[in-house]
Amino acid sequence: NAGVTQTPKFQVLKTGQSMTLQCAQDMNHNSMYWYRQDPGMGLRLIYYSASEGTTDKGEVPNGYNVSRLNKREFSLRLESAAPSQTSVYFCASSETGHNEKLFFGSGTQLSVL
Amino acid sequence: QKEVEQNSGPLSVPEGAIASLNCTYSDRGSQSFFWYRQYSGKSPELIMSIYSNGDKEDGRFTAQLNKASQYVSLLIRDSQPSDSATYLCAVNSGGSYIPTFGRGTSLIVHP
Repeated sequence: NAGVTQTPKFQVLKTGQSMTLQCAQDMNHNSMYWYRQDPGMGLRLIYYSASEGTTDKGEVPNGYNVSRLNKREFSLRLESAAPSQTSVYFCASSETGHNEKLFFGSGTQLSVL
Repeated sequence: QKEVEQNSGPLSVPEGAIASLNCTYSDRGSQSFFWYRQYSGKSPELIMSIYSNGDKEDGRFTAQLNKASQYVSLLIRDSQPSDSATYLCAVNSGGSYIPTFGRGTSLIVHP
């Protein structure tokens, strides 16, 4: 079982470049999430999708866009990367979004120079 | 602003001791509480969930919840070096199913 798969694992961008982080889950989960984790800051929610066809902003959405492509896939796009977006990004999923545990992908380490 | 507070540590305990990790939260309407473990360079994984006041035990782990005092704790008995990790507290408030995470407590278990 793959669980939650994120690509790429590492990425280096120059300021102003764009990129898309891909996430897919094979557990038939309805809800998916994108978090960023910075040293000493814990996990902060960027965007989430309660179900296929819906997306909502989290705590730190500025500079990001998301697409819930289908039930399995939830992508995160940086249109014009900034050094402040240097972080580790985690995708997660949960069955229905009602107080269950989150399953996390392995993360993407992104550096913006 | 819903807040979840944890002491960043590091908390250092000798092998075989009990490690006690604490978390406080601001939203009195919170209903679900989780502890995730995160090894360095890895993703978080759930180790305990608790929903009602009192203790919940699972192997060497015990989660304790006190809603009146707004704190949740995690006890690790017979701590092992393999328990060395960052422990994240996550809280779901009554009005949202989205968990708010604390900043995590670093635990070091030394032989």
